[in-house]
Amino acid sequence: QSALTQPPSVSGSPGQSVTISCTGTSSDFGHYNRVAWYQQAPGTGPKLLIYEVSNRPSGVPDRFSGSKSGNTASLTISGLQAEDEADYHCFSYTSISTYVFGTGTKVTVL
Amino acid sequence: QVRLVQSGAEVKKPGASVKVSCKTSGDTFTAYYIHWVRQVPGQGLEWMGWIYPNSGATNSAQKFQGRVTLTRDTSINTLYMELNNLISDDTAIYYCARELFVESMFRGAVDIWGHGTLVTVSS
Repeated sequence: QSALTQPPSVSGSPGQSVTISCTGTSSDFGHYNRVAWYQQAPGTGPKLLIYEVSNRPSGVPDRFSGSKSGNTASLTISGLQAEDEADYHCFSYTSISTYVFGTGTKVTVL
Repeated sequence: QVRLVQSGAEVKKPGASVKVSCKTSGDTFTAYYIHWVRQVPGQGLEWMGWIYPNSGATNSAQKFQGRVTLTRDTSINTLYMELNNLISDDTAIYYCARELFVESMFRGAVDIWGHGTLVTVSS
């Protein structure tokens, strides 16, 4: 099971929107909508941002939104803020009842 | 408040085994899937496997099958991840994490993480 493919880095100015893609195969995403996204600030553990493609746990700002089309999931950060500078990881359930992470994307706020 | 408390850092030689523990508190131990995830410093996250403490059922990533053992001790609310035949590439932070349970369903994501256990493999 190979890692899902994410761009190594994306950047944007404060207030802008950035979108991070997460591409896999049909056996990764399958027919399930079990895609999650995590934010990881330097030196800290991951924090759940999105689950089941587009659901936000309580406390996560609505600036963070998720979507999926075919074998690509996406995380969009709207109204980028300095505190959003972190690594972002996608995570998906697979067709063989396992899970797989993406390669990770570093978001830089210019 | 649910907490996952992991064991301390370990230093192992190549070929050895390591067993990391994860003690849960604050909720029903057997009711939630627990996942194990590792992260090589400076790199991405890697899913290793899950265990369902109620039954002891497990599943693991193909990469680790035959080398990782996930177990639990229900008497002390503790999960264990044992990794055998260690190599230098196994040097990483190992996390346990609890699966999200919302509206009576598991949601295929983890929301509560342990603090991580650094395992260093070096001769």
